[in-house]
Amino acid sequence: GESVGLHLPTLSVQEGDNSIINCAYSNSASDYFIWYKQESGKGPQFIIDIRSNMDKRQGQRVTVLLNKTVKHLSLQIAATQPGDSAVYFCAEKTSYDKVIFGPGTSLSVIP
Amino acid sequence: DAGVTQSPTHLIKTRGQQVTLRCSPKSGHDTVSWYQQALGQGPQFIFQYYEEEERQRGNFPDRFSGHQFPNYSSELNVNALWLGDSALYLCASSKQGDYTDTQYFGPGTRLTVL
Repeated sequence: GESVGLHLPTLSVQEGDNSIINCAYSNSASDYFIWYKQESGKGPQFIIDIRSNMDKRQGQRVTVLLNKTVKHLSLQIAATQPGDSAVYFCAEKTSYDKVIFGPGTSLSVIP
Repeated sequence: DAGVTQSPTHLIKTRGQQVTLRCSPKSGHDTVSWYQQALGQGPQFIFQYYEEEERQRGNFPDRFSGHQFPNYSSELNVNALWLGDSALYLCASSKQGDYTDTQYFGPGTRLTVL
Protein backbone atom coordinates (compact mmCIF):
# COMPACT_ATOMS: atom_id res chain seq x y z
CA GLY A 1 0.00 0.00 0.00
CA GLU A 2 0.98 3.63 0.02
CA SER A 3 3.56 4.56 2.53
CA VAL A 4 6.10 7.10 3.55
CA GLY A 5 9.48 5.74 4.49
CA LEU A 6 12.90 6.90 5.61
CA HIS A 7 16.30 5.98 4.23
CA LEU A 8 18.16 6.00 7.55
CA PRO A 9 16.73 4.73 10.82
CA THR A 10 19.43 6.37 12.99
CA LEU A 11 21.69 9.37 12.59
CA SER A 12 24.47 10.63 14.87
CA VAL A 13 25.93 14.10 14.36
CA GLN A 14 28.41 16.30 16.16
CA GLU A 15 27.03 19.34 17.91
CA GLY A 16 27.30 22.34 15.61
CA ASP A 17 27.26 20.28 12.43
CA ASN A 18 24.39 20.23 9.98
CA SER A 19 21.98 17.28 9.94
CA ILE A 20 20.15 15.88 6.96
CA ILE A 21 17.27 13.46 7.39
CA ASN A 22 15.86 11.84 4.28
CA CYS A 23 12.46 10.44 3.43
CA ALA A 24 10.88 8.67 0.48
CA TYR A 25 7.20 8.68 -0.31
CA SER A 26 5.27 6.53 -2.73
CA ASN A 27 2.02 8.38 -3.41
CA SER A 28 2.67 10.79 -6.25
CA ALA A 29 -0.77 12.33 -5.67
CA SER A 30 0.17 13.62 -2.21
CA ASP A 31 0.28 17.39 -2.15
CA TYR A 32 1.37 18.23 1.36
CA PHE A 33 4.23 16.99 3.50
CA ILE A 34 5.11 17.61 7.11
CA TRP A 35 8.08 17.00 9.37
CA TYR A 36 7.43 16.22 13.02
CA LYS A 37 9.85 15.93 15.92
CA GLN A 38 9.05 13.59 18.77
CA GLU A 39 10.96 13.68 22.02
CA SER A 40 10.82 10.84 24.46
CA GLY A 41 7.51 10.71 26.31
CA LYS A 42 5.92 13.45 24.23
CA GLY A 43 3.62 13.72 21.26
CA PRO A 44 4.92 14.68 17.81
CA GLN A 45 5.70 18.37 17.44
CA PHE A 46 5.22 20.19 14.14
CA ILE A 47 8.50 21.44 12.67
CA ILE A 48 7.90 22.54 9.13
CA ASP A 49 5.71 21.71 6.16
CA ILE A 50 5.80 22.05 2.40
CA ARG A 51 3.24 21.94 -0.36
CA SER A 52 3.83 20.05 -3.55
CA ASN A 53 4.00 23.24 -5.62
CA MET A 54 7.21 24.18 -3.80
CA ASP A 55 10.74 22.77 -3.92
CA LYS A 56 12.13 24.33 -0.80
CA ARG A 57 10.94 25.97 2.36
CA GLN A 58 12.99 27.44 5.17
CA GLY A 59 12.24 27.94 8.81
CA GLN A 60 14.34 28.78 11.81
CA ARG A 61 17.45 26.58 11.44
CA VAL A 62 15.45 24.07 9.39
CA THR A 63 14.97 23.64 5.68
CA VAL A 64 12.75 21.15 3.88
CA LEU A 65 13.49 20.12 0.32
CA LEU A 66 11.02 18.34 -1.92
CA ASN A 67 11.98 16.48 -5.08
CA LYS A 68 8.79 15.32 -6.74
CA THR A 69 10.62 13.66 -9.61
CA VAL A 70 12.11 11.01 -7.34
CA LYS A 71 9.50 11.36 -4.59
CA HIS A 72 12.04 12.39 -2.02
CA LEU A 73 11.81 14.70 0.95
CA SER A 74 14.60 15.89 3.23
CA LEU A 75 14.92 17.89 6.43
CA GLN A 76 18.07 19.89 7.01
CA ILE A 77 18.89 21.15 10.48
CA ALA A 78 21.60 23.79 10.67
CA ALA A 79 24.03 23.97 13.59
CA THR A 80 22.55 20.95 15.31
CA GLN A 81 22.13 21.32 19.06
CA PRO A 82 21.69 18.74 21.84
CA GLY A 83 18.05 19.79 22.08
CA ASP A 84 17.55 18.54 18.53
CA SER A 85 18.02 14.94 19.68
CA ALA A 86 14.73 13.20 19.01
CA VAL A 87 12.91 10.98 16.54
CA TYR A 88 11.96 12.76 13.34
CA PHE A 89 9.01 11.69 11.23
CA CYS A 90 8.13 12.73 7.75
CA ALA A 91 4.43 12.58 7.03
CA GLU A 92 2.25 12.76 3.99
CA LYS A 93 -1.14 14.36 4.00
CA THR A 94 -3.92 12.89 1.92
CA SER A 95 -7.51 13.96 1.41
CA TYR A 96 -9.72 14.65 4.41
CA ASP A 97 -6.63 15.47 6.48
CA LYS A 98 -5.51 11.89 6.93
CA VAL A 99 -1.82 11.98 7.76
CA ILE A 100 0.42 9.01 6.97
CA PHE A 101 3.62 8.80 8.99
CA GLY A 102 6.87 7.12 8.11
CA PRO A 103 8.74 4.89 10.58
CA GLY A 104 10.98 7.67 11.90
CA THR A 105 14.68 8.53 12.15
CA SER A 106 16.39 8.82 15.49
CA LEU A 107 18.76 11.78 15.62
CA SER A 108 21.47 11.74 18.28
CA VAL A 109 23.60 14.83 18.82
CA ILE A 110 27.09 14.23 20.19
CA PRO A 111 28.29 17.08 22.47
CA ASP B 1 -3.75 29.40 24.63
CA ALA B 2 -4.18 25.80 25.76
CA GLY B 3 -2.71 23.11 23.60
CA VAL B 4 -4.09 19.64 23.06
CA THR B 5 -4.66 17.79 26.31
CA GLN B 6 -5.24 14.10 26.87
CA SER B 7 -6.27 12.01 29.84
CA PRO B 8 -5.29 9.84 31.49
CA THR B 9 -1.52 9.92 31.06
CA HIS B 10 -1.06 6.24 31.74
CA LEU B 11 -3.48 3.35 31.96
CA ILE B 12 -3.16 -0.35 32.74
CA LYS B 13 -5.89 -2.77 31.71
CA THR B 14 -6.26 -6.52 31.37
CA ARG B 15 -7.25 -8.48 28.31
CA GLY B 16 -10.94 -8.34 27.48
CA GLN B 17 -11.55 -5.07 29.30
CA GLN B 18 -12.75 -1.85 27.75
CA VAL B 19 -11.04 1.54 27.89
CA THR B 20 -12.00 5.16 27.21
CA LEU B 21 -9.42 7.81 26.42
CA ARG B 22 -10.16 11.52 26.31
CA CYS B 23 -8.90 14.46 24.32
CA SER B 24 -9.48 18.20 24.39
CA PRO B 25 -8.42 20.01 21.21
CA LYS B 26 -6.36 23.15 20.96
CA SER B 27 -8.35 26.32 21.35
CA GLY B 28 -9.97 27.27 18.04
CA HIS B 29 -9.71 23.79 16.56
CA ASP B 30 -12.76 21.76 15.57
CA THR B 31 -11.33 18.53 14.17
CA VAL B 32 -9.85 15.68 16.19
CA SER B 33 -7.82 12.76 14.87
CA TRP B 34 -6.69 9.72 16.82
CA TYR B 35 -3.51 7.73 16.25
CA GLN B 36 -1.98 4.60 17.68
CA GLN B 37 1.79 4.53 18.08
CA ALA B 38 3.45 1.23 18.86
CA LEU B 39 6.89 1.34 20.42
CA GLY B 40 9.54 2.27 17.87
CA GLN B 41 7.06 2.98 15.10
CA GLY B 42 5.35 5.96 13.56
CA PRO B 43 1.79 6.89 14.51
CA GLN B 44 -0.94 5.00 12.69
CA PHE B 45 -4.17 6.82 11.84
CA ILE B 46 -7.25 5.40 13.58
CA PHE B 47 -10.01 7.88 12.68
CA GLN B 48 -10.97 11.52 12.53
CA TYR B 49 -13.96 13.38 13.90
CA TYR B 50 -15.49 16.58 12.62
CA GLU B 51 -18.91 18.01 13.44
CA GLU B 52 -19.44 15.11 15.83
CA GLU B 53 -19.15 12.54 13.05
CA GLU B 54 -16.47 10.08 12.05
CA ARG B 55 -15.18 11.44 8.77
CA GLN B 56 -12.44 9.02 7.88
CA ARG B 57 -11.12 5.79 9.29
CA GLY B 58 -7.86 3.92 9.09
CA ASN B 59 -7.34 0.18 9.09
CA PHE B 60 -8.59 -0.54 12.59
CA PRO B 61 -11.32 -2.99 13.68
CA ASP B 62 -14.73 -2.00 14.96
CA ARG B 63 -13.47 -2.55 18.50
CA PHE B 64 -12.13 0.96 18.12
CA SER B 65 -14.85 3.56 18.26
CA GLY B 66 -15.04 7.21 19.08
CA HIS B 67 -17.16 10.18 19.77
CA GLN B 68 -16.93 13.93 19.43
CA PHE B 69 -18.87 16.27 21.67
CA PRO B 70 -20.37 19.69 20.82
CA ASN B 71 -17.41 21.39 22.50
CA TYR B 72 -15.12 19.52 20.03
CA SER B 73 -13.58 17.28 22.67
CA SER B 74 -13.38 13.63 21.81
CA GLU B 75 -13.22 10.14 23.25
CA LEU B 76 -11.61 6.99 21.94
CA ASN B 77 -13.11 3.71 23.10
CA VAL B 78 -11.50 0.33 22.69
CA ASN B 79 -13.46 -2.82 23.52
CA ALA B 80 -12.25 -6.35 24.14
CA LEU B 81 -8.67 -5.27 24.72
CA TRP B 82 -5.87 -7.60 23.75
CA LEU B 83 -2.15 -7.46 24.27
CA GLY B 84 -1.52 -5.93 20.85
CA ASP B 85 -3.49 -2.83 21.81
CA SER B 86 -0.67 -1.77 24.13
CA ALA B 87 0.60 1.48 22.65
CA LEU B 88 0.74 5.24 22.94
CA TYR B 89 -2.56 6.73 21.82
CA LEU B 90 -2.22 10.20 20.38
CA CYS B 91 -4.85 12.78 19.75
CA ALA B 92 -4.28 15.57 17.23
CA SER B 93 -6.44 18.59 16.59
CA SER B 94 -6.74 20.88 13.60
CA LYS B 95 -9.03 23.49 12.13
CA GLN B 96 -11.24 22.56 9.23
CA GLY B 97 -10.89 24.85 6.28
CA ASP B 98 -7.23 25.72 6.68
CA TYR B 99 -5.48 24.35 3.60
CA THR B 100 -2.54 23.03 5.49
CA ASP B 101 -4.77 22.11 8.40
CA THR B 102 -1.72 21.41 10.49
CA GLN B 103 -2.37 18.85 13.16
CA TYR B 104 -1.15 19.56 16.67
CA PHE B 105 -0.61 16.59 18.91
CA GLY B 106 -1.24 16.01 22.56
CA PRO B 107 1.22 14.20 24.84
CA GLY B 108 -0.61 10.90 24.43
CA THR B 109 -2.02 8.22 26.70
CA ARG B 110 0.20 5.21 27.35
CA LEU B 111 -2.03 2.12 27.43
CA THR B 112 -0.65 -1.15 28.75
CA VAL B 113 -2.72 -4.31 28.35
CA LEU B 114 -1.72 -7.23 30.57
